[in-house]
Amino acid sequence: DTAVSQTPKYLVTQMGNDKSIKCEQNLGHDTMYWYKQDSKKFLKIMFSYNNKELIINETVPNRFSPKSPDKAHLNLHINSLELGDSAVYFCASSQTSGGAHGELFFGEGSRLTVL
Amino acid sequence: SQQGEEDPQALSIQEGENATMNCSYKTSINNLQWYRQNSGRGLVHLILIRSNEREKHSGRLRVTLDTSKKSSSLLITASRAADTASYFCAPDSWGKLQFGAGTQVVVTP
Repeated sequence: DTAVSQTPKYLVTQMGNDKSIKCEQNLGHDTMYWYKQDSKKFLKIMFSYNNKELIINETVPNRFSPKSPDKAHLNLHINSLELGDSAVYFCASSQTSGGAHGELFFGEGSRLTVL
Repeated sequence: SQQGEEDPQALSIQEGENATMNCSYKTSINNLQWYRQNSGRGLVHLILIRSNEREKHSGRLRVTLDTSKKSSSLLITASRAADTASYFCAPDSWGKLQFGAGTQVVVTP
């Protein structure tokens, strides 16, 4: 069983469209994340949720809306897609303790291409 | 910045050689983690070193941490072609685990 699974793996869409990426973890972790990796491989945190509550929102445009229906799922919805949104989006999960992060488990990534 | 900054950006070595990469950060940390990313894949955790530890080993990996200099290093000994990947450090600073752009390591047979 895949520990952190995200779908779809590839997404090609036109500017202005709305798209979603789904993520699920079966590790029982309490914290989930979305990271964005650009073409230069820089990996930047976007959001972090702990037990369904938003913990980190890193100055991401409000066109990006994460939703956590339960602590095993963290989905990412993107409205009005722009060319600059093209990137690989990674979901991850970890168990936190006293504010410190344990090991992060990453999904395989969702490559978004906006035309 | 809370992110880790890896150096060098790229490293090319031959099988059997050692590979060393460094990480610098700017704030106090709970721990620092190293990850590997193979091309087209997600990141995989390698090792976590706590702020009160100075050195940690895992197989062919050796990580050091110098909190006074706010730096860490990752040494891969006796490298193999399968070690070809990007390596990222991530300082855990008060709830944020922030990565940089990684060191791209190429190991040629």
